This record gives sequence, structure tokens and C-alpha cells, in this order.
Amino acid sequence: AQSVAQPEDQVNVAEGNPLTVKCTYSVSGNPYLFWYVQYPNRGLQFLLKYITGDNLVKGSYGFEAEFNKSQTSFHLKKPSALVSDSALYFCAVRAFGGTGFQKLVFGTGTRLLVSP
Amino acid sequence: DVKVTQSSRYLVKRTGEKVFLECVQDMDHENMFWYRQDPGLGLRLIYFSYDVKMKEKGDIPEGYSVSREKKERFSLILESASTNQTSMYLCASSARGGAGEKLFFGSGTQLSVL
Repeated sequence: AQSVAQPEDQVNVAEGNPLTVKCTYSVSGNPYLFWYVQYPNRGLQFLLKYITGDNLVKGSYGFEAEFNKSQTSFHLKKPSALVSDSALYFCAVRAFGGTGFQKLVFGTGTRLLVSP
Repeated sequence: DVKVTQSSRYLVKRTGEKVFLECVQDMDHENMFWYRQDPGLGLRLIYFSYDVKMKEKGDIPEGYSVSREKKERFSLILESASTNQTSMYLCASSARGGAGEKLFFGSGTQLSVL
């Protein structure tokens, strides 16, 4: 079954420092991978996706993610963190339902705290 | 601006009650989803619908049913609410093309079953 794992419940970083939020995946075939962010009291928002092509994917709010096939990882990165980046981040992978319909399977989430 | 609207932000119900959670999207999307979000468990898919009157079970459908009579509206039904259904419920929609298309989420309904 398709799945993703987020090994860290929380990541702490100082404002201005680079940040990394980790995600590893387990899929059969080529992975379609996604990152979503949830700000307090808000629904999830799409950040970026990897389907094929360049291993470095750029997304919203200055975030990027690096796809690494040999390490089965899709880590989210940002060169310089902002306090406003503090939120809950979810990695997700495409999977297939019984009818062949595509759906997203999400990880457990990583809380990012950026201190001033 | 595109929108997925969930009818209630907070809901308190009693054990055994029948509960309806409503979701409306204004983007003419074919696909709609219901997830529940629990700390430490992430988002888990309950049901999804890929067309009017069409539905498929997700990973945790037990205790839930859904209804999609119109394209823009997707309802989640708890036939007899139980305390273990206390959770944040998130509705989402996407255009046809599957999960290569991004999901748009509502703000969520925090359901408490007492």
C-alpha cells in the first residue's frame, strides 16, 4: 500500500535559519508526492507537488522540496524561516482506491515552530 | 476566490444522535472527499465521491455514510454518533484528473460527541 512517514512530530528553528521537514515514502511505481500546510484554525493549503521531472520542486511561500529516489524521501525545505511559517505540515502520496480512483494518503504531520 | 464551505465550525452532539456534516464547493469539481484529522494520526480518508451519486469507501468508513445528490454538495452522516467519533472533520474537493490535481480544503468542523 502507498504510504508516507513523517518521522518528526515537531521541528524547532530560529527565524532566519534554514528549515527542513522530513518525509519518506513507500510506493509501488512512480510516486506522486505533495506537501500541504495547515495554519491555526484553518483548513489545509496546497504547497507543492512532485510528479516527474526536476528533483527540486518549488512551491508557495518560498518553500521547495527535494525528491530523492534512492532514499525514498521528499523533504520540505526553506532557506530562511519566518515566524509566520509556524504551522502543521503534511506530506501526502497518491494512492488508488478499489475502483482505480485516485486519492491522497497523508502522513501524521509535523509541527513547525519558528522562534523570533 | 475558490471556496469549500463546511456548514459548522464547531458542533456538539450526544451519543446516539444522527449527525449531518455538510460541505459545499463552488468550483464545479467532480471529486469530493471527507477526512478526519486526529493528533498523531494525521488525516485519514473516510469516503470520497467522484461524481454525483457515486461514492467509494476510504480507509476508515465504519460508522459513517455519505450522500452526494448534487455536484456541489457532499454530506457526511454519522448514523449513531459515538464518543470515538469526536474529531476534526475536513472536506476537500478537486477537479477530475485525480490526485495529480491539488485538493482544496474547507476550514473544518470540530465535532465533539458527549
